[in-house]
Amino acid sequence: GAVVSQHPSRVICKSGTSVKIECRSLDFQATTMFWYRQFPKKSLMLMATSNEGSKATYEQGVEKDKFLINHASLTLSTLTVTSAHPEDSSFYICSARAGTSRDETQYFGPGTRLLVL
Amino acid sequence: LAKTTQPISMDSYEGQEVNITCSHNNIATNDYITWYQQFPSQGPRFIIQGYKTKVTNEVASLFIPADRKSSTLSLPRVSLSDTAVYYCLVGDYSSASKIIFGSGTRLSIRP
Repeated sequence: GAVVSQHPSRVICKSGTSVKIECRSLDFQATTMFWYRQFPKKSLMLMATSNEGSKATYEQGVEKDKFLINHASLTLSTLTVTSAHPEDSSFYICSARAGTSRDETQYFGPGTRLLVL
Repeated sequence: LAKTTQPISMDSYEGQEVNITCSHNNIATNDYITWYQQFPSQGPRFIIQGYKTKVTNEVASLFIPADRKSSTLSLPRVSLSDTAVYYCLVGDYSSASKIIFGSGTRLSIRP
């Protein structure tokens, strides 16, 4: 299957700083990328959907000014957590979909563990 | 978006066949059914996808009845490493529609 990578795999930062997480589709072009957040022993919660070259669509309750999403190319999307606070500590997972007639499957990255002190 | 319902947890033993059933009564004509596996602190891993009848790959089988209102993931001869959370997802993959995760099924395999 297709490979999606995330960087960094884990990050610790001080409260008030901004953190950028990268999501890359390594062997396919992703027309659509998704960002999820997952708290311990909970399911994945969709934060936003982004299409290459256009603004992301955020789910209800997700602050777009706090979670900045950029999908500048068909292989890269970034999530920036601005002015992070301890409650933003979570496991962030991205996924990508090629969106071709041959493969509509959504492939997930390995996740990024964010800890805000 | 079709809502899915799965058992919260299941237990089994090594070497057994495990069947996890998912209900999706409101599935739409264009929706596919996809199952993912997730280990702690990892992203979900694609297992299998189907539209109707039966699909089989090297790791699992997916059974979908004619009305498509449910599906069953079958894991043959499970091992301890199959202990994970399994998610059933339903969605229209031919568009840019989003995929919403349900609660998943926490499968525990014992020696």
